[in-house]
Amino acid sequence: RKEVEQDPGPFNVPEGATVAFNCTYSNSASQSFFWYRQDCRKEPKLLMSVYSSGNEDGRFTAQLNRASQYISLLIRDSKLSDSATYLCVVNMFLRGGYQKVTFGTGTKLQVIP
Amino acid sequence: GAGVSQTPSNKVTEKGKYVELRCDPISGHTALYWYRQSLGQGPEFLIYFQGTGAADDSGLPNDRFFAVRPEGSVSTLKIQRTERGDSAVYLCASSPGDNTEAFFGQGTRLTVV
Repeated sequence: RKEVEQDPGPFNVPEGATVAFNCTYSNSASQSFFWYRQDCRKEPKLLMSVYSSGNEDGRFTAQLNRASQYISLLIRDSKLSDSATYLCVVNMFLRGGYQKVTFGTGTKLQVIP
Repeated sequence: GAGVSQTPSNKVTEKGKYVELRCDPISGHTALYWYRQSLGQGPEFLIYFQGTGAADDSGLPNDRFFAVRPEGSVSTLKIQRTERGDSAVYLCASSPGDNTEAFFGQGTRLTVV
């Protein structure tokens, strides 16, 4: 089983729609979680961190479910500019104080006019 | 600059040649990561440095790949006897090493012909 799994999509949604992505992780020792956005031929950039209590940033809401080991990203009122690949990222602290950052394969979103 | 810098941005090399890819992390960031990304895939972990030492090199695909970070700042990823399958975007990221987000460089697009 992969350490971090995402549905690769693509998700094709009309403008204004609400879309949700899930991501599951296999290691219960994982400690911090992020959603990154990657535009075509660009580097990944942080979209938002994911907190246990859930967090919201404008049209974006991220949730963490530690018991079921998944995180989610909800995008409301989709815009054309939201079209990108959304990468789920999981941090684990390893023995010795090291951390390992693991990416999912990404979920591609295409917002259609 | 203030961000992660990778050079060269593009590299075309012949099969069998040796290449070096350079990453200049954000000043003060102790953690440095190398990833490889093929078209349509998420970033694939290669190696992680904490300071000068490779804390986790489990992602290096074989012994043709090697990376160093001699002074705990700049890192070089070295690929010997390149193969066409090594063609990908090589991404470098750095973080303060305290479980916060990682910042990416723009990547080096390696093409082996």
